Amino acid sequence: DQQVKQNSPSLSVQEGRISILNCDYTNSMFDYFLWYKKYPAEGPTFLISISSIKDKNEDGRFTVFLNKSAKHLSLHIVPSQPGDSAVYFCAASGFSGTYKYIFGTGTRLKVLA
Amino acid sequence: GAGVSQSPSNKVTEKGKDVELRCDPISGHTALYWYRQSLGQGLEFLIYFQGNSAPDKSGLPSDRFSAERTGGSVSTLTIQRTQQEDSAVYLCASSLAANEQFFGPGTRLTVL
Repeated sequence: DQQVKQNSPSLSVQEGRISILNCDYTNSMFDYFLWYKKYPAEGPTFLISISSIKDKNEDGRFTVFLNKSAKHLSLHIVPSQPGDSAVYFCAASGFSGTYKYIFGTGTRLKVLA
Repeated sequence: GAGVSQSPSNKVTEKGKDVELRCDPISGHTALYWYRQSLGQGLEFLIYFQGNSAPDKSGLPSDRFSAERTGGSVSTLTIQRTQQEDSAVYLCASSLAANEQFFGPGTRLTVL
């Protein structure tokens, strides 16, 4: 049973436009959510997180939105740059950032120059 | 070191052989996690260490998988009698008590 779902395996966006990556979860006990970015042959790197007490967190070009009632979060990248091309994983935790993360299957973002 | 390191980076083995994968976490990080990523899948949790103890081994797929951590630092994941379905990228991560997890580059395991 996939508790964290990323239903779009891939996304292509033109450079300078907005990239929106979506993530849905089923477990209402999750209270901390993260986005990781992964380049080929490298481990995932932390991008941005959000606690369930907030509905938005912004860091430069990256903003994460959380809709608890819909059990949905999204990552917005604006403006998108070619260097953003990578696989993006959504992750959720039930212990405010500690303990194991449950990851989605990832979305491959390609930013076209 | 500056980050989490894992060795080997690649491992090719024959079905039925045992393999050991090593993880060196960031110095001072008390928590250590093993995940694996099979082809086309997300990251699958395997085991979690807090210090040298493993409060959660629930993700280990079978009793062929085991892990240990010594001195609150280095961890070894051992897979006995490897099977082709064990082929995956095995990722290690470490963290402080309540911070995000930092991942190593992974070990790509191929079982022929």
